[in-house]
Amino acid sequence: AQSVTQLDSQVPVFEEAPVELRCNYSSSVSVYLFWYVQYPNQGLQLLLKYLSGSTLVESINGFEAEFNKSQTSFHLRKPSVHISDTAEYFCAVIDTSGTYKYIFGTGTRLKVLA
Amino acid sequence: DAGVIQSPRHEVTEMGQEVTLRCKPISGHNSLFWYRQTMMRGLELLIYFNNNVPIDDSGMPEDRFSAKMPNASFSTLKIQPSEPRDSAVYFCASSLGQGVYEQYFGPGTRLTVT
Repeated sequence: AQSVTQLDSQVPVFEEAPVELRCNYSSSVSVYLFWYVQYPNQGLQLLLKYLSGSTLVESINGFEAEFNKSQTSFHLRKPSVHISDTAEYFCAVIDTSGTYKYIFGTGTRLKVLA
Repeated sequence: DAGVIQSPRHEVTEMGQEVTLRCKPISGHNSLFWYRQTMMRGLELLIYFNNNVPIDDSGMPEDRFSAKMPNASFSTLKIQPSEPRDSAVYFCASSLGQGVYEQYFGPGTRLTVT
């Protein structure tokens, strides 16, 4: 079965600084990748996704992620973070070898400091 | 649309009691997912349904857990008998179908078993 690894459990960063949240996936023929965000006391929301086509995908609030097949990575980046970006971020892959369920990473807690 | 609706939002119960969590998916969505989130284990898929039929229940921890989806607009997750280690936030999510679709999460039910 496919899997994703989020190496950083917590990432503190100052407001207006850039940030990168790392995600690596296990290699497969077909790869569908997602980033979800969970704000405090809420459910998860889709941030962005890669299904096919352009390897660089963007969200409406300034985040972007690049699908890198050679490095089996899908890192999430933002050039300048805001306090409101404080949340937990989950990388996910679709398990195409089985029932097409999501396989979520363990999450990265982003804390933006003033 | 109101989004995915879960009830109750909070549940406190004593060990040994039966607990029933409820979920109403977004109208028109054909797939429904139950997840459990804890600090120790992160986000775990318990079971998912497609067109009201259970597709993958490999994440259901043990026989004390059961889930039903009697129709397209309602699902329950039951724990009987409950134990303190079942304390967690339980999320319901729905999507248009099985496959590479966005999942829409409900606000969750915070369960505390004393």
